Amino acid sequence: RKEVEQDPGPFNVPEGATVAFNCTYSNSASQSFFWYRQDCRKEPKLLMSVYSSGNEDGRFTAQLNRASQYISLLIRDSKLSDSATYLCVVNKGYGGATNKLIFGTGTLLAVQP
Amino acid sequence: NAGVTQTPKFRILKIGQSMTLQCTQDMNHNYMYWYRQDPGMGLKLIYYSVGAGITDKGEVPNGYNVSRSTTEDFPLRLELAAPSQTSVYFCASSRDSDNSPLHFGNGTRLTVT
Repeated sequence: RKEVEQDPGPFNVPEGATVAFNCTYSNSASQSFFWYRQDCRKEPKLLMSVYSSGNEDGRFTAQLNRASQYISLLIRDSKLSDSATYLCVVNKGYGGATNKLIFGTGTLLAVQP
Repeated sequence: NAGVTQTPKFRILKIGQSMTLQCTQDMNHNYMYWYRQDPGMGLKLIYYSVGAGITDKGEVPNGYNVSRSTTEDFPLRLELAAPSQTSVYFCASSRDSDNSPLHFGNGTRLTVT
C-alpha cells in the first residue's frame, strides 16, 4: 500500500459544481495533513492545513477521518480558476517535522465552462 | 518580496556532465529543502537543511550533493549527470519544522541525454 494515495483523476466538472477528493494514508501515527495546489508547470502552493475538527476556507472544506485514515477536500461552486492538481500531503511521523512529509501524486481537476 | 528563487529554469545536460542548481530565499527561513518531481510520482525529498552549516539526506540523495554556507542559499550539485536525474527540481523553504507551510521556488526542468 502506498504511504499516501490519491485518485489521479482527471475530475471534469462544470462551473458551479461541487467536487470532492479523498486521500488515504497508511501510517496511523501521522499527525499533520495538508492540501497543496499545483498549477500546470508551476510550483506547489499550500491550499490549507487539515485539522482534526475539520476546517473551512471560503469554498474549500477539509476533513480528517483518523479511524479510516483518509482526508478529504470539498470544493463548492467550482470556478474555472480552480483547475489544477491537488496534492495531498501527510507527515509520516510523530510531530510536524517538515522533512517527514509524504506527497501524494495529485488529483487533477478540470473545471469546464 | 521575492520568496524562493531558483535558477536556471531549464537546462539540458549530457550524461556525465555536472551542474549546480541555485536556490536562494529572502524570508530568513532556517529550513530549506530540495525535491524532485517525476511524472506520476509525488515529490521526493533529496536533501534538506535545518540551518546554515547543517545538511541531511532525504529520501533520494544518491547522485546529489548540497551545501548551506548561508541562511539564504542552498545549492544542489549534480556531479555526474545520469538520465535517471531527468526531472523537475523544486527548492523550498519553511520558517521552522513544526507544521510550517513550504514555500516553493518556480522549479528547474532538467533533461539529461
